[in-house]
Amino acid sequence: EVQLVESGGGLVQPGGSLRLSCAASGFTFSSYDMNWVRQAPGKGLEWVSYISGGSGTIYYANSVKGRFTISRDNAKNSLYLQMNSLRAEDTAVYYCARGLREGWDWGQGTLVTVSS
Amino acid sequence: DIQMTQSPSSLSASVGDRVTITCRASQSISTYFNWYQQKPGKTPKVLIYATSSLQSGVPSRFSGSGSGTDFTLTISSLQPEDFATYFCQQSYSIPHTFGQGTKLEIK
Repeated sequence: EVQLVESGGGLVQPGGSLRLSCAASGFTFSSYDMNWVRQAPGKGLEWVSYISGGSGTIYYANSVKGRFTISRDNAKNSLYLQMNSLRAEDTAVYYCARGLREGWDWGQGTLVTVSS
Repeated sequence: DIQMTQSPSSLSASVGDRVTITCRASQSISTYFNWYQQKPGKTPKVLIYATSSLQSGVPSRFSGSGSGTDFTLTISSLQPEDFATYFCQQSYSIPHTFGQGTKLEIK
């Protein structure tokens, strides 16, 4: 069974940093592209970042480019999102997701709240 | 990035109604297209993938159609458990972008 478990969310002040983690199991992690997607309270899904299986290709949404960094450790079956210079508008539930063409597998999400 | 425009953004309907939600891509995406259902506080769940293939366990009252740039999700007879938010997604090119969502509410 595919499992994706996010952690690392919490309350942070504007301008602060957080590092999200996603622990994957139930599949060969290194063989799959992974994504971070966020959902602000009461809003839709916003794709944040993508990383290919071997980390050779990385993309970011314009809204986070230059502030967020995606990475993965295939030996640890883990995905990460380093978030710096956080803003109030970054407040959201952050999901990691396995990016299959036939529909994504999602973690349960971790809430990031940016507020003073 | 490919833009996905979903309509309507909200919809009120009654149990038993037939409901249609549409999604338009900013360029042709063949049939690389998925629909998700999300209930409050829950993770999005794949309903339909590759435009018209029903995910295992999804009731047959859900169906999908389309190709190129225009796609449709149809619920043939609404059930109480179908009241949720629905998102479309293109999986033609990375990033796999989403529509804005359609909130389906009880009339």
